[in-house]
Order: sequence, then structure tokens, then C-alpha cells
Amino acid sequence: QKEVEQDPGPLSVPEGAIVSLNCTYSNSAFQYFMWYRQYSRKGPELLMYTYSSGNKEDGRFTAQVDKSSKYISLFIRDSQPSDSATYLCAMSPNRDDKIIFGKGTRLHILP
Amino acid sequence: NAGVTQTPKFQVLKTGQSMTLQCAQDMNHEYMSWYRQDPGMGLRLIHYSVGAGITDQGEVPNGYNVSRSTTEDFPLRLLSAAPSQTSVYFCASSYRDTYEQYFGPGTRLTVT
Repeated sequence: QKEVEQDPGPLSVPEGAIVSLNCTYSNSAFQYFMWYRQYSRKGPELLMYTYSSGNKEDGRFTAQVDKSSKYISLFIRDSQPSDSATYLCAMSPNRDDKIIFGKGTRLHILP
Repeated sequence: NAGVTQTPKFQVLKTGQSMTLQCAQDMNHEYMSWYRQDPGMGLRLIHYSVGAGITDQGEVPNGYNVSRSTTEDFPLRLLSAAPSQTSVYFCASSYRDTYEQYFGPGTRLTVT
């Protein structure tokens, strides 16, 4: 089993909808959880970063971590066509350890 | 600040050739890493470094070497290129006390 699993999509939703993106993982040592956004032919950019369990909100984006279920989510409210991109989850056990990425989910927001 | 720079942007190699992908950052970041990205595979970590003189292997290190003699530079060497190394390579850097990695624009490598 790969350490981090992420549905590659593509996921198509109408503009204004709430988007839910998810990852599961197998390594219970992961404590740091990140979401990156990557536009076509560009490098990824960090969207959200959380430590351990709980929620974190930043504007239209909310990240959730459920360590008991080994499950993390990213919610996008009031989705916009400019949110169309690939979203990658990433996680790590501690600050000086390697960061493992999911395969990424391609998201299309339909105008 | 230039951020994270990578050279070259594109490269075509023949099987068996060697080359070095360059990565530099001007943000005084301790942590630097190299990833490859293939269709349907996401980002896979090749090697990483938590500071000058310190490197470690990631998920897919075979066929690649790295060194970190300065804080700013983290070159990735392909020892004997193979078609399986055709990919887009990203370099990233961050401070050690944060996970906000800054990614370079990538190098598109084709091995024929």
C-alpha cells in the first residue's frame, strides 16, 4: 500500500459549488499535513499547512485532519474557475524528515 | 529575490549520457529537495538536504546523486541517463521550521 493515496480525478464541479478533496495515508507517524495547488506547467505552491489533528481555515479554503481515521480533506467554498488546477496533499512525520506527496487530484470548475 | 531558480528549462539526453540539473535559492533556506513528476504519479522525492553538508535519500534515489556544499545550491546529477528518467524535475526549498516549500519552475528532461 502506498503511503499516501489520493484520487487523481478529474473532478468537475459547477462554479460556486463546495469542493471536497481528500487523501488517506497509512503511516501513523505523519504529523504535518499540507495542501499544494499546481497550475498546468508550473511548480506547486503551498495552500494550507496543518499540524496534527483539527481544522484550519484560510479564506475560502478549509483543511481538516482526522488522525484517528488517517484521513485529510481540503474544502473549497464558492469555487471559481481560477481554482481549476491539480491539488496535491503532502505529509511528513517531523520537520527534518522527507515530505511525501499524493498523486494529485485534477479539479475543473465549470463556469 | 529571485526565489528558486532551475537550469536548464529543457534538456534532451541520449541514453548513457550524464548531466547536472542546477538548483539555486537566495532565501537562505536550510531545507532543499528534488522531486520528479510523472503523469499519474504525483511528485516523488529523489533526495533532500536539511543543510549544507547533509543529504539524504528520498523515495526514488537510484540513478541520481546530490551534494550540498553551500546553503544556496543543490545540484542533481544523473550518472548515466536512462529513458525511465524522462520526467519533469522540480527543486524546492524552505526554512527548517516551516513547511512552506517554494518550488522552482521545473526542468523538462527527455532521455532518448
